[in-house]
Amino acid sequence: DTQMTQFPSSVSASVGDRVTITCRASQRIDKQLAWYQQKPGKAPDLLIYTTSTLQSGVPSRFSGSGSGTDYTLTISSLQPEDFATYYCQQANNLPHTFGGGTKVEI
Amino acid sequence: QVQLQQSGPGLVKPSQTLSLTCAISGDSVSSNGAAWSWIRQSPSRGLEWLGRTYYRSRWYNDYAESVKSRITINPDTSKNQFSLQLNFVTPEDTAVYYCARDPEYSLSIFDCWGQGTLVTVSS
Repeated sequence: DTQMTQFPSSVSASVGDRVTITCRASQRIDKQLAWYQQKPGKAPDLLIYTTSTLQSGVPSRFSGSGSGTDYTLTISSLQPEDFATYYCQQANNLPHTFGGGTKVEI
Repeated sequence: QVQLQQSGPGLVKPSQTLSLTCAISGDSVSSNGAAWSWIRQSPSRGLEWLGRTYYRSRWYNDYAESVKSRITINPDTSKNQFSLQLNFVTPEDTAVYYCARDPEYSLSIFDCWGQGTLVTVSS
């Protein structure tokens, strides 16, 4: 299985800050990487897929980049509604595997 | 838009079978592009993909090795839904279970999720 390691596990930030979350795969995943946002008590929401493609309706302050084994999610200017937990997921091979999550908190 | 509605019991006894159903609206379980997955989430295991079913001229299933000997995912075309059965459950199977849609089989992403069902395995 492809292991996904996310860091940091948590980050404290303020409204307006730039936040970057990193995800490292245990093997190359050829940019088949998705990011999700999850709020307490809710299912995850798809933000980005194939490394950098924004899901419909997702604000442009979210962006993704990376290649090989290393990928990042950037929130350019944190908004109050962005405080949540973020997960990466590799979509390159089965089983689909997720990172451990990064909690973005005030 | 696509909506997934989960149903099933929230409490299962050890060694028994966990059964959940996911009703689909706005898409078809027989769609020739989509795949339909079950994913669970627990504090100890995080988000864990369990398996999927999809139709490409015939039905296919893929399962995670961690549950392969105990899991069955079945489509029900008459009701436009799919189900999860997990046999011989233990307390380690306690988790929130989600059904989810992969809109395009080649993408292997999850763009629509059910509301989640907390399943507790306890006597």
